[in-house]
Amino acid sequence: DIVMTQSPSSLAVSAGETVTINCKSSQSLLSSGNQKNYLAWYQQKPGQSPKLLIYLASTRESGVPDRFIGSGSGTDFTLTISSVQAEDLADYYCQQHYSYPNTFGAGTKLELK
Amino acid sequence: EVQLVESGGGLVQPGASLKLSCVASGFTFSDYWMSWVRQTPGKTMEWIGDIKYDGSYTNYAPSLKNRFTISRDNAKSTLYLQMSNVRSEDTATYYCTRDETYYGYIAYWGQGTLVTVSS
Repeated sequence: DIVMTQSPSSLAVSAGETVTINCKSSQSLLSSGNQKNYLAWYQQKPGQSPKLLIYLASTRESGVPDRFIGSGSGTDFTLTISSVQAEDLADYYCQQHYSYPNTFGAGTKLELK
Repeated sequence: EVQLVESGGGLVQPGASLKLSCVASGFTFSDYWMSWVRQTPGKTMEWIGDIKYDGSYTNYAPSLKNRFTISRDNAKSTLYLQMSNVRSEDTATYYCTRDETYYGYIAYWGQGTLVTVSS
């Protein structure tokens, strides 16, 4: 199984700050066939189900604000949230869908300082 | 609007069986791979498995393969998860999800149904 290591586990921020969440996979998620990275990011607000934010490592889902930026390739990926807003306080998870079984990172809890 | 509505959760005794359902609407159910994902009380996310759009193929997390079975009824736009010999560690919120067609990431999540395994 591909192990997804996500860090930090929690992050306390002030509104307006830029934050970075890291996700490292134990194997490359880059497909040699199409040069795409099979890595997704999800946001889960308190009491809600997760929601897709970013897919293929860097493509924002429709309707997701452009302050959410996904980057990285191979085994190292980053979710950057620029100018954090109160509505961004949530848990964030990365997931690889490169090979079965699909696996998730342990999550990052974004809290207000 | 895509909607996935799970049901069937509740309190169940260790060793028992339970079948979860997920009714889909807002899209052509028979066109999509579907999956189940669970989230423990400690927030750990675990992919359970998925099923091909016509029900002819399934994949499972190896640790769950012997006890969990995913099926679907395209005529009823319904996805199922049959759980057998449940254990306390199966206590979780179970989500029905719709996979993106080509790349396989999870595009939509249901609201989840809570399963609590306890005597």
